[in-house]
Amino acid sequence: GEDVEQSLFLSVREGDSSVINCTYTDSSSTYLYWYKQEPGAGLQLLTYIFSNMDMKQDQRLTVLLNKKDKHLSLRIADTQTGDSAIYFCAESRNTGGFKTIFGAGTRLFVKA
Amino acid sequence: DAGVTQSPTHLIKTRGQQVTLRCSPKSGHDTVSWYQQALGQGPQFIFQYYEEEERQRGNFPDRFSGHQFPNYSSELNVNALLLGDSALYLCASSGYYNSPLHFGNGTRLTVT
Repeated sequence: GEDVEQSLFLSVREGDSSVINCTYTDSSSTYLYWYKQEPGAGLQLLTYIFSNMDMKQDQRLTVLLNKKDKHLSLRIADTQTGDSAIYFCAESRNTGGFKTIFGAGTRLFVKA
Repeated sequence: DAGVTQSPTHLIKTRGQQVTLRCSPKSGHDTVSWYQQALGQGPQFIFQYYEEEERQRGNFPDRFSGHQFPNYSSELNVNALLLGDSALYLCASSGYYNSPLHFGNGTRLTVT
């Protein structure tokens, strides 16, 4: 993706917490998103945060936003083997209309 | 509540041919965006349709064109196919101009 960067791989043990990080460049971005993609499927919206928020929690998911550093993270508590997938960070960028720009994705491996 | 549906699921074409992909948005959504996802990469924005007009466009050549119908469904057309057009084509819909995208499962296009 253009200017949305993520690390490519993360491996964790079942039951541990996973933290996936993302950096973006457009300070005018209004919403930041996390999507999950399983093999052969489309993208599933996991959670999102508005740019004037610092944190959002939704069951096992916690999103942290550091707007000054343009850094977004997704923490998955008590990671399960079913969480193995590719996770995409995305920003809603205002370019005279809103378009959503995606990172290249982080592949999460969960070891039993 | 039907989500985003795309057809066909898989397609094999020859270089130089033309292809049409179809998308029906989630019920209640009026904006449709198309993305290309090459293997191992994040989705790349092709264009977005609203009120039957192309509202925004990404860095794709004119060989990529689209249409939106009065019932909000959409088509993506690609002319003069190249081997590099082989990818998963994702359709996403949203309910208003800056709301989260909801994705279909995509059309896997293979160009030989």
